Order: sequence, then C-alpha cells, then structure tokens
Amino acid sequence: QQPVQSPQAVILREGEDAVINCSSSKALYSVHWYRQKHGEAPVFLMILLKGGEQKGHEKISASFNEKKQQSSLYLTASQLSYSGTYFCGTPGGGSNFGNEKLTFGTGTRLTIIP
Amino acid sequence: DSGVTQTPKHLITATGQRVTLRCSPRSGDLSVYWYQQSLDQGLQFLIQYYNGEERAKGNILERFSAQQFPDLHSELNLSSLELGDSALYFCASSVRGGNEKLFFGSGTQLSVL
Repeated sequence: QQPVQSPQAVILREGEDAVINCSSSKALYSVHWYRQKHGEAPVFLMILLKGGEQKGHEKISASFNEKKQQSSLYLTASQLSYSGTYFCGTPGGGSNFGNEKLTFGTGTRLTIIP
Repeated sequence: DSGVTQTPKHLITATGQRVTLRCSPRSGDLSVYWYQQSLDQGLQFLIQYYNGEERAKGNILERFSAQQFPDLHSELNLSSLELGDSALYFCASSVRGGNEKLFFGSGTQLSVL
C-alpha cells in the first residue's frame, strides 16, 4: 500500500534537472509532496487534488495522472537548497475523505553538488 | 518554525520502560497525526486524531497508544519498549484533517538502550 518512488537516490550538479516519480498500486485521489532535509522535519511542497492537475512553485512543479495512478515531481535548474529527501504521500480514504492514513512513499534522496 | 511543538526533543531510556511523547498542534488546527521514522526508513503512519477522536489508525503496535485531549494537544505513549522502537517520532497537524497540508513538528528522537 505504500507508494513506490523512483529513483531511490539521485545526484545532480547545480543547474541540472531531475524528475521524481511516485506510483501507487491502488486508486489515487490526490497526491502530496514533501521535502525533508537531513535532521529536520518534512516540509510541505504541494498537493495535487485531481487527475491532470499540474502545480508549480518557482522551479519545482508536479503532475498527477489519476488513471495511471502516478505523480511526478519536476525540479528544474536545481539549486543547492533543493537537496534533501522527497516524499510523496497518498491519502488512504476515498475522494470524499481527507488525510486519513496519509501514507508516504519510500522516499527519494536528492543530492545537489556545486 | 511550523508552529507544532513536540517535547521532549530527545529521550533515552531502557528496554521495558514506558515513555510519553507530547505534541501541541498549531493554533487552530484540530487534527493531529503521529509518524515514526526509523534510521534510513520512510515515514510510517501511526495514528490520526481529529478534535479529540481517533480518525485513522496505521500499523501502530498494541504497546503504543495515543490520545488527543480537549485542549487539542496529543500524547503518544510507548510501553514495554524494545530496541527496535528507537526512532524519530514526528507529530503533524492540519486544520480540519481534510485533504490539506500537514505541518510537522521537529520530532522526538527516542533511543532505547
């Protein structure tokens, strides 16, 4: 039931792009994305609430394909501050529910080097 | 600062003991979540409360219990501790427990020796 993320880890040079994928074996009604820096708490990035939705914040954006039960996080022109572990999260309930059993994926460790 | 307060930040105890972790949600948030993060592991959902009532339960061990009090703070009780319970325990809160963002506290690092 835990979403699977790929890749598990990626190393980029500053300025390069990255894509992190999140896939679920069960129906997805929405997807959350969070970033956790080493030794810190996870921090919210964005929620995608319906299939086909795309969101972005500065150079970080995401898409959600409800039919394929997948979401992807895009990091463009990566900066040193993007380093950390990225988690997707999927609510356990149906579309009428909230965050019940918000289950996080396996995580993707992103390292940006100068 | 997320506005979610967890105490203590660090806790060292022995096997077989019982500990209580405390969480104060952001002002106005009604829902509290507990997560366990072991070394190099992801975030494992334990339990969720909304306005004092249990809303969802994950793979929480029977030795663990939690509650949310009328003032909305929450406590996670861990008993008969084992070495494998050593982990970082996060509390998070959200406004209504709907499909909305979570604000995480800085966590309690539990070490069972």
